Amino acid sequence: QSALTQPASVSGSPGQSITISCTGTSSDVGSYKYVSWYQQHPGKAPKLMIYEVSNRPSGVSNRFSGSKSGNTASLTISGLQAEDEADYYCSSYTSSSTPYVFGTGTKVTVL
Amino acid sequence: EVQLVESGGGLVQPGGSLRLSCAASGFTFDDYAMHWVRQAPGKGLEWISGISWNSGSIGYADSVKGRFTISRDDAKNSLYLQMNSLRVEDTAFYYCAKDADGDWWWSWFDPWGQGTLVTVSS
Repeated sequence: QSALTQPASVSGSPGQSITISCTGTSSDVGSYKYVSWYQQHPGKAPKLMIYEVSNRPSGVSNRFSGSKSGNTASLTISGLQAEDEADYYCSSYTSSSTPYVFGTGTKVTVL
Repeated sequence: EVQLVESGGGLVQPGGSLRLSCAASGFTFDDYAMHWVRQAPGKGLEWISGISWNSGSIGYADSVKGRFTISRDDAKNSLYLQMNSLRVEDTAFYYCAKDADGDWWWSWFDPWGQGTLVTVSS
């Protein structure tokens, strides 16, 4: 099972919106609503930001939103803030012999 | 507040064994599935194992199947990962994570512990 494909880096200025893509296949992202997104600051544990494609856990800012089209899921951060600078990973349930796959990770830089 | 605290990491030689523990608090542990996810230093995340609320269903990544064993002790609110035949490529931070439900499939991971580092080296 190959990792889901994410851009290595995305950057934006404070207040801008950015979108991170997560491309999989019809065996994972394309077939399941179980796509989730995680934020990881350096030296810290990952934190759930989005689950089931577009749902936000309690306590997560509404500046974070998720969507999916075909085999590609996306995470959009609007009104970018300095605290959003972190690594972001997508994840999907899969029909392969390894049931969960993560994305390659995207480093978000706030300029 | 849900809290997960891993322990048991350390330095081990290739071919050796190690047992990781994850102490859970702040929720009804035996109602939820649990997972182990690892991250090699400077690299991405890799799911390695999940266990259902009653230990009735267990899943493993191909990369660890036959070498690692996940288990839980609900009386101690603890999750375990027995790692045998360790390889250099198993070097990583190991995180335990709570599932959203009682079954480990069709789900997500929230929250995560702080991780414990396992280093496999001679």
